[in-house]
Amino acid sequence: GESVGLHLPTLSVQEGDNSIINCAYSNSASDYFIWYKQESGKGPQFIIDIRSNMDKRQGQRVTVLLNKTVKHLSLQIAATQPGDSAVYFCAEKGVSSASKIIFGSGTRLSIRP
Amino acid sequence: NAGVMQNPRHLVRRRGQEARLRCSPMKGHSHVYWYRQLPEEGLKFMVYLQKENIIDESGMPKERFSAEFPKEGPSILRIQQVVRGDSAAYFCASSPSQGKETQYFGPGTRLLVL
Repeated sequence: GESVGLHLPTLSVQEGDNSIINCAYSNSASDYFIWYKQESGKGPQFIIDIRSNMDKRQGQRVTVLLNKTVKHLSLQIAATQPGDSAVYFCAEKGVSSASKIIFGSGTRLSIRP
Repeated sequence: NAGVMQNPRHLVRRRGQEARLRCSPMKGHSHVYWYRQLPEEGLKFMVYLQKENIIDESGMPKERFSAEFPKEGPSILRIQQVVRGDSAAYFCASSPSQGKETQYFGPGTRLLVL
């Protein structure tokens, strides 16, 4: 039968390896970018953010890279663990200080033992 | 330090009934946002409110949907005469005043319309 609805792209990674999740954003005027992690049945959880005047930002086990030339974001997770299994969304926000967040379509990260 | 709270977590309604979803922002946050998520999709913005004011409702359907954030009490998203297509997860997020940009999300309300 015909499938209905969208299917999230999936990234399968061996436990302990590094994960790289990519995202293309749409609005060249966006000046603030966020990565969220969403586990099954839960709300999005803030991971890390970056402003457009930066090209790299590091957190605990995570790094976000921003390439404004090609409007591309990536999230790198070091030493991937089973608890990292989730759907990861990149999101962008406009120049207004309190405007809406625009979410990307998401990537499902699954961890192989 | 309680996070964003939403209730109920699950709500079942029959077609034609009303659904009321509640959101209490984080302490000290005066900006509230509502988003809707269909299965296997990203969140879609619906409405942005500050206390007693709707700031941006560009994502709200024109009919049956309304939102408020009164001076006292939680923000309410109200869906009148629900239809099956309203079945989704509805998330609330809040951010601090003074224009801080990070939004923190609640656990969501999963609405099922029979």
